[in-house]
Amino acid sequence: KNEVEQSPQNLTAQEGEFITINCSYSVGISALHWLQQHPGGGIVSLFMLSSGKKKHGRLIATINIQEKHSSLHITASHPRDSAVYICAVRSGGATNKLIFGTGTLLAVQP
Amino acid sequence: GAGVSQTPSNKVTEKGKYVELRCDPISGHTALYWYRQSLGQGPEFLIYFQGTGAADDSGLPNDRFFAVRPEGSVSTLKIQRTERGDSAVYLCASSSPFGEQFFGPGTRLTVL
Repeated sequence: KNEVEQSPQNLTAQEGEFITINCSYSVGISALHWLQQHPGGGIVSLFMLSSGKKKHGRLIATINIQEKHSSLHITASHPRDSAVYICAVRSGGATNKLIFGTGTLLAVQP
Repeated sequence: GAGVSQTPSNKVTEKGKYVELRCDPISGHTALYWYRQSLGQGPEFLIYFQGTGAADDSGLPNDRFFAVRPEGSVSTLKIQRTERGDSAVYLCASSSPFGEQFFGPGTRLTVL
């Protein structure tokens, strides 16, 4: 079983829909990241959070430390939101390395 | 610089050859990470530098892989006797200590 699980693996939405991507993890963490990766492109960090909720534009990320669960929400989705969204947890300890989920491929159709 | 840069962006090599992949981190970032992403998978940790030293190399798959960061800035990932299974996108990230990691565009390595 992967230490970081995401669902769904693939998601197709119509423009304007509210989207939720979920992430569950099984290890102790110091922070959780949501990342965006476009096909053939690099990885862009969307959020880093260790508690509560953060909002940036149409994106909202929440985390529940007790339940070891995080969600990424996209409001009023747009075709340009189409990308792979990756959840990654920062392990505790000195290394600070990230452990990644396998990603959610989102396609927003006009 | 403005962001993390990696060179080359693409590298095609033949099985058995030696390759070097370079990462230029954001100026002032003391932490540097190498990750590897195979097709359809999330990235996997390879090695972490704090300054010049490899603080954690537990993700390196075998002794064909080696990385250096001699002056605490630029890092080079070196792969000897490349195998087809080494084909992947190699990602570099840098951060301030315990800060957010910023990723480079990656180097796509193809071993024929």
